[in-house]
Amino acid sequence: DTAVSQTPKYLVTQMGNDKSIKCEQNLGHDTMYWYKQDSKKFLKIMFSYNNKELIINETVPNRFSPKSPDKAHLNLHINSLELGDSAVYFCASSQATASSGANVLTFGAGSRLTVL
Amino acid sequence: AQSVAQPEDQVNVAEGNPLTVKCTYSVSGNPYLFWYVQYPNRGLQFLLKYITGDNLVKGSYGFEAEFNKSQTSFHLKKPSALVSDSALYFCAVRDQGGSQGNLIFGKGTKLSVKP
Repeated sequence: DTAVSQTPKYLVTQMGNDKSIKCEQNLGHDTMYWYKQDSKKFLKIMFSYNNKELIINETVPNRFSPKSPDKAHLNLHINSLELGDSAVYFCASSQATASSGANVLTFGAGSRLTVL
Repeated sequence: AQSVAQPEDQVNVAEGNPLTVKCTYSVSGNPYLFWYVQYPNRGLQFLLKYITGDNLVKGSYGFEAEFNKSQTSFHLKKPSALVSDSALYFCAVRDQGGSQGNLIFGKGTKLSVKP
């Protein structure tokens, strides 16, 4: 199936730990994203990345870092986890075109992170 | 700065009745506007978008939305609601002059359709 897939689906960990969430897309898209959805369901862009440019939301702590081994993968690394990092993290992708602003995002199913 | 507002946290509709989920936006230029739907424990799914042209946009599952520039609104509508339409709906906006990735989402509106 063509899709955006994320692993793990659920992640429970202790404060202070370092963890990673993996994302892969087989849609051939050029751009990938990470979004954070908090407990009130509010969605916020964290990063967008293609092979040319990483755009970082300035409000994201530098404990969060995206790593892209190739065009089909964008993993999210989180260092020194805090209670406030508990959320659902969504990976998404889109195809860059001349009118990129109108591009539709395809989302993964989400990774629920719980920090104890 | 661009922003989007969904004034209703929840909308309750009886099955078979028409539904409207409201969205207003603010951008400095012309907007790209989107509606996405999120079912429980799932990622967001694209419903429809407005780029330019006809103000009435038709999308998936019988949904449509009307772009109103003077009221800066993009309300989602469906003539006859189904119980299976119950989900969380997000309006999103990107300024046509904005960079890739800066898609701003509203806080979401929970739609509940009762039999």
